[in-house]
Amino acid sequence: QKEVEQDPGPLSVPEGAIVSLNCTYSNSAFQYFMWYRQYSRKGPELLMYTYSSGNKEDGRFTAQVDKSSKYISLFIRDSQPSDSATYLCAMSSSGGSYIPTFGRGTSLIVHP
Amino acid sequence: DVKVTQSSRYLVKRTGEKVFLECVQDMDHENMFWYRQDPGLGLRLIYFSYDVKMKEKGDIPEGYSVSREKKERFSLILESASTNQTSMYLCASARTGVLNSQYFGPGTRLTVL
Repeated sequence: QKEVEQDPGPLSVPEGAIVSLNCTYSNSAFQYFMWYRQYSRKGPELLMYTYSSGNKEDGRFTAQVDKSSKYISLFIRDSQPSDSATYLCAMSSSGGSYIPTFGRGTSLIVHP
Repeated sequence: DVKVTQSSRYLVKRTGEKVFLECVQDMDHENMFWYRQDPGLGLRLIYFSYDVKMKEKGDIPEGYSVSREKKERFSLILESASTNQTSMYLCASARTGVLNSQYFGPGTRLTVL
């Protein structure tokens, strides 16, 4: 079992839909949780960053962490065609190396 | 605007050739990373460096080496390229203490024939 599991999709939704992207993990030492967005033929860019459990909101994006279930989510409200990209979750522990472990990414397509 | 640049966007090499991939960052970050990204496998860490002349193996270092002679520059070397090294190579940098907030370059798509 991989440390971080992420459904590769693709996930296809109409413009304006609420999108839910998810990752599960097995390492209970993970404390930092990140979401990266990667447009086609570009490098990933950091979108959201949360520490431990709870929610964090930034505009149309909400990151949610449930450590008891080892499950994290990224919600996108009022999705736009410009949100079409691959979304990678990443997580790291607080002890020793902070280098994150990445999920494989979920491809999201928002069609007009 | 923060920047990580990679020397080539696309590269085609032949089996057995020595290949150099260059990465430069202008954020004065201590830490730099090389990943490869393959469909279905995601991002895999090849090597990272936490200081000039320092390097650490990542998850898949076999067949690769690295060089960091200056803080802003991190090079990935394929001593003898093989077809299974055809991939997207991504460089990243991060400040010490926030290694999980990485800034990525645009990537180099390497094809080995």
